[in-house]
Amino acid sequence: SQQGEEDPQALSIQEGENATMNCSYKTSINNLQWYRQNSGRGLVHLILIRSNEREKHSGRLRVTLDTSKKSSSLLITASRAADTASYFCATDVGGGADGLTFGKGTHLIIQP
Amino acid sequence: DGGITQSPKYLFRKEGQNVTLSCEQNLNHDAMYWYRQDPGQGLRLIYYSQIVNDFQKGDIAEGYSVSREKKESFPLTVTSAQKNPTAFYLCASSIGPPGNTEAFFGQGTRLTVV
Repeated sequence: SQQGEEDPQALSIQEGENATMNCSYKTSINNLQWYRQNSGRGLVHLILIRSNEREKHSGRLRVTLDTSKKSSSLLITASRAADTASYFCATDVGGGADGLTFGKGTHLIIQP
Repeated sequence: DGGITQSPKYLFRKEGQNVTLSCEQNLNHDAMYWYRQDPGQGLRLIYYSQIVNDFQKGDIAEGYSVSREKKESFPLTVTSAQKNPTAFYLCASSIGPPGNTEAFFGQGTRLTVV
């Protein structure tokens, strides 16, 4: 079952601009994670935010979490061509012991 | 050089054959997972294992089998009962339940039925 849904499905911006992706989920969570996937490769963990946190930063990444709206956003500032990838949110349905549940992802293209 | 290794990178299977995908990790992680990814889709959980000699079915386990005889290894067999096996398969591991800690992924195996 699909827990998280990213929006938009695809996003194309100019290098240097900021990129914002959103994730909505259906059931209560303990944690939410964001991953990046380059074409044809494995996923790379970006950031984990816990349900009692509202915002978290890591370098050019800023993640917010609104548990009342069951939504999260990922902001990439000052985008670079190397940021071109698919971005997935993942939630811990079932307390995490059953594995992460992923959305379908946002495909981000950074135009040089 | 720690990490999680999947092999082969590309695999071709004839209809009716079983094939086994390898996943090895040297991160000393207890938990290991297999996901399937179809084009333009997210990841769907096939099987997961929290400890050696124990594993549980995920959302789409039908037509697949796994074993966890060693902590480092979690091979996935795609059986002939899996009617649509062409997909990208990703193995992952985590030190604890993946909801609480980050998951580390291999580079994937692309399986094609010919």
